[in-house]
Amino acid sequence: QSALTQPRSVSGSPGQSVTISCTGTSSDVGGYNYVSWYQQYPGRAPKFLIYDVSRRPSGVPDRFSASKSGNTASLTISGLQADDEADYYCCSYAGSFTWAFGGGTKVTVL
Amino acid sequence: EVQLLESGGGLVQPGGSLRLSCAASGFTFSSNAMSWVRQAPGGGLVWVSVFSGGGGGTYYADSVKGRFTISRDNPNNRVYLHMDSLRLEDTAVYYCAKHLSGTWSFDSWGQGTLVTVSS
Repeated sequence: QSALTQPRSVSGSPGQSVTISCTGTSSDVGGYNYVSWYQQYPGRAPKFLIYDVSRRPSGVPDRFSASKSGNTASLTISGLQADDEADYYCCSYAGSFTWAFGGGTKVTVL
Repeated sequence: EVQLLESGGGLVQPGGSLRLSCAASGFTFSSNAMSWVRQAPGGGLVWVSVFSGGGGGTYYADSVKGRFTISRDNPNNRVYLHMDSLRLEDTAVYYCAKHLSGTWSFDSWGQGTLVTVSS
């Protein structure tokens, strides 16, 4: 079970858009439509943001969108706000009842 | 409202054992798969183990296979993680996470419990 690859950090000004990539393999991201994304503030539990590649749970603003192409999934935050500053993790089902997370991306709002 | 409350963390010596507990409420516990996910200090999230719902099986990350055991008590809405032969690298916050029915994602998380393995 190898970790998925995410950039360590991304940044943007308020109102701009940022995109976080999540690269895996055909055994995880590319093999299943079960990519999910989580937001985590320091010292807090992760929060559910996206599931099944691009579906948003109720209550998650539509500023958060996601997609997948091949072995790479992406999360885009549009209209960046100050409280979007957090760590973001991707996750993919990896078969045989196992999951792989990305290393996390710190989003900084300039 | 879904609530997950972990307990049982603490300081343990290398080679020791610990049992974590997660008390669940606000959903039909027996129907849902439940996982443990951990996060080392300053590190990322790492999936540890799952007990699938509806009487299904148990599965583990390679790093803990043979040392950790997940179990669940459906009548009392609890899931456990028994950890043996603990290593320094098992030091982490351990989160209990509920799977969203019908999909392989984690829709609710507990607040976590810290396990520190140190001599």
